Amino acid sequence: GAVVSQHPSRVICKSGTSVKIECRSLDFQATTMFWYRQFPKQSLMLMATSNEGSKATYEQGVEKDKFLINHASLTLSTLTVTSAHPEDSSFYICSAKTTTSLGGDTQYFGPGTRLTVL
Amino acid sequence: AQTVTQSQPEMSVQEAETVTLSCTYDTSESDYYLFWYKQPPSRQMILVIRQEAYKQQNATENRFSVNFQKAAKSFSLKISDSQLGDAAMYFCAYISYGGSQGNLIFGKGTKLSVKP
Repeated sequence: GAVVSQHPSRVICKSGTSVKIECRSLDFQATTMFWYRQFPKQSLMLMATSNEGSKATYEQGVEKDKFLINHASLTLSTLTVTSAHPEDSSFYICSAKTTTSLGGDTQYFGPGTRLTVL
Repeated sequence: AQTVTQSQPEMSVQEAETVTLSCTYDTSESDYYLFWYKQPPSRQMILVIRQEAYKQQNATENRFSVNFQKAAKSFSLKISDSQLGDAAMYFCAYISYGGSQGNLIFGKGTKLSVKP
């Protein structure tokens, strides 16, 4: 149990275009999902916290107008990188938090999305 | 603010041997969870083990066990009978119980190599 999928796994796009990344909890409902960015050989950097049915909470320094997050259901959150530029190229990882009955406050991670902006 | 420190950027272990990865954390809270996550070359983050701070008993999961010292704010991971598939980055992480946003705080990671 507690499987999180992420799609696409890799995406290459041209500068100025927008890219949408989907994160799904496959076998549990997640009221809270998280989006991270990871640079090579570094730890995960939290970008935003996504709560179902409400606006995402962004970490300091993360542009909310550039990284649009939507959490429309208890199993799906999306991250849209708008007007992508080469500096947005990175590895993006989502996670979903289980409920208390499943061992609460445990986050399970998706496999990540490698974004390359040309 | 809570912090998590992993003082060993890299570690190496011989196959079938035992290795211990260190983690210390700083918090003023009494209720929290601690985790070890593994990130192999595929970059998929995999939960290795979880410890609730209120539990005195150290968590174990097969070949993985922790040494949780609450007073010392230490949370080390012991891998027994190391296997080639254990080679990965290992991240120690903290989360406060019922935290306002529930976000994990990660250490910088320890890269574990396993020698055949």
